[in-house]
Amino acid sequence: DIVMAQSPLSLPVTPGEPAAISCRSSQSLLHSNGDNYVEWYLQKPGQSPQLLIYLASNRAAGVPDRFSGSGSGTDFTLKISRVEAEDVGVYYCMQALQTPRTFGQGTKVEI
Amino acid sequence: QVQLVQSATEVKKPGSSVRVSCKASGGTFSTSTINWVRQAPGQGLEWMGRIIPMLNIADYAQNLQDRITLNADKSTSTAYMELRSLRPEDTAVYYCARRETALDLGLDSWGQGTLVTVSS
Repeated sequence: DIVMAQSPLSLPVTPGEPAAISCRSSQSLLHSNGDNYVEWYLQKPGQSPQLLIYLASNRAAGVPDRFSGSGSGTDFTLKISRVEAEDVGVYYCMQALQTPRTFGQGTKVEI
Repeated sequence: QVQLVQSATEVKKPGSSVRVSCKASGGTFSTSTINWVRQAPGQGLEWMGRIIPMLNIADYAQNLQDRITLNADKSTSTAYMELRSLRPEDTAVYYCARRETALDLGLDSWGQGTLVTVSS
């Protein structure tokens, strides 16, 4: 199984400041079609997870443009350009290259 | 966009089975792949398996393969997850989540979650 490792696991943030979360995979997530099969999800307190980013760098519908994803191969990053209070929660990366799908441990973002 | 509504909270005894439903509306169930993800109290997300209702093909996480069955009823746009031989460590919130089968656009819709408590 592909292991996904996130860092940091806890991230104190200040509103208006940038933030970044790293995700590393134990195997390359680069498909032969040129896409990187990593997704990012945010689970706000008391809610179901919601999709933020797919194929490493594509924002899902309705996701604010302050969120961006980057990376290739085994190293990926989720960035928030200017954190807002509503961004608190736990962020997960997930590999979608092969089954079983696997998630990172989660990064708790709090103000 | 597809909305997913799951069945209600369950309390089960160890050794029994649970069946959680996930009803889709507002989209095309037949082009969806339904994934199941669980979250133990205070823990992270664990992928359990997925089913393609159109093809009735499912695959499972290896650690659950002997105890889990996924199926779907296309006539009612409902997916089901059955977990057998329940153990206290199966206590978790169980989520269904949908992906467009032919596209790699992520799990774009999630159910509200179903809490399953396993306790004697």
